[in-house]
Amino acid sequence: DAKTTQPPSMDCAEGRAANLPCNHSTISGNEYVYWYRQIHSQGPQYIIHGLKNNETNEMASLIITEDRKSSTLILPHATLRDTAVYYCIVRLLKVGGTSYGKLTFGQGTILTVHP
Amino acid sequence: DAMVIQNPRYQVTQFGKPVTLSCSQTLNHNVMYWYQQKSSQAPKLLFHYYDKDFNNEADTPDNFQSRRPNTSFCFLDIRSPGLGDAAMYLCATSRAVFMGGNEQFFGPGTRLTVL
Repeated sequence: DAKTTQPPSMDCAEGRAANLPCNHSTISGNEYVYWYRQIHSQGPQYIIHGLKNNETNEMASLIITEDRKSSTLILPHATLRDTAVYYCIVRLLKVGGTSYGKLTFGQGTILTVHP
Repeated sequence: DAMVIQNPRYQVTQFGKPVTLSCSQTLNHNVMYWYQQKSSQAPKLLFHYYDKDFNNEADTPDNFQSRRPNTSFCFLDIRSPGLGDAAMYLCATSRAVFMGGNEQFFGPGTRLTVL
């Protein structure tokens, strides 16, 4: 799976949009971009994923550049409860074989939302 | 609510004394995973089961074993815990990829202390 690069930490004011960048310049055509987050002392939580097109769900939006070498996770109105480590993961989904479903976590971005 | 349950949440063992961590799920997912997360590090996959098929990561030490007696339960056995095995152990589940399994659901984790 392709490696990702994220800033180690970011700050955001409560109520503002949090934009978390991720570089994945070696991504291949059949690899997806996934985002998970981990609130302190909890297990990771799935946020969103995408292949080429921008995606939106009730938690966040995912913007993937046209060349797919980078992406941005957007939390439109950050709250204090969004303070967490955010992991950007590039994942190959294979049908068959033994490595499907595998998540390789990088170091992530610590997002701190301030009042 | 359907969920992934890990017991106990905190486990203390002695150096070299075998310990078993348990995970159960009510999601009826085919795939179950065990991750190790050391302090201030990202989760690292140890192994996973697809139904009864066991898939070990290449760098998982032999000291770590797993059992999955049925769909709902999965156990992590550490045969001779060392001080370096102190960590949070996370269990996760997902549907198989060909069944649309994109998201992994994580339990709250078991924090293991080795004295």
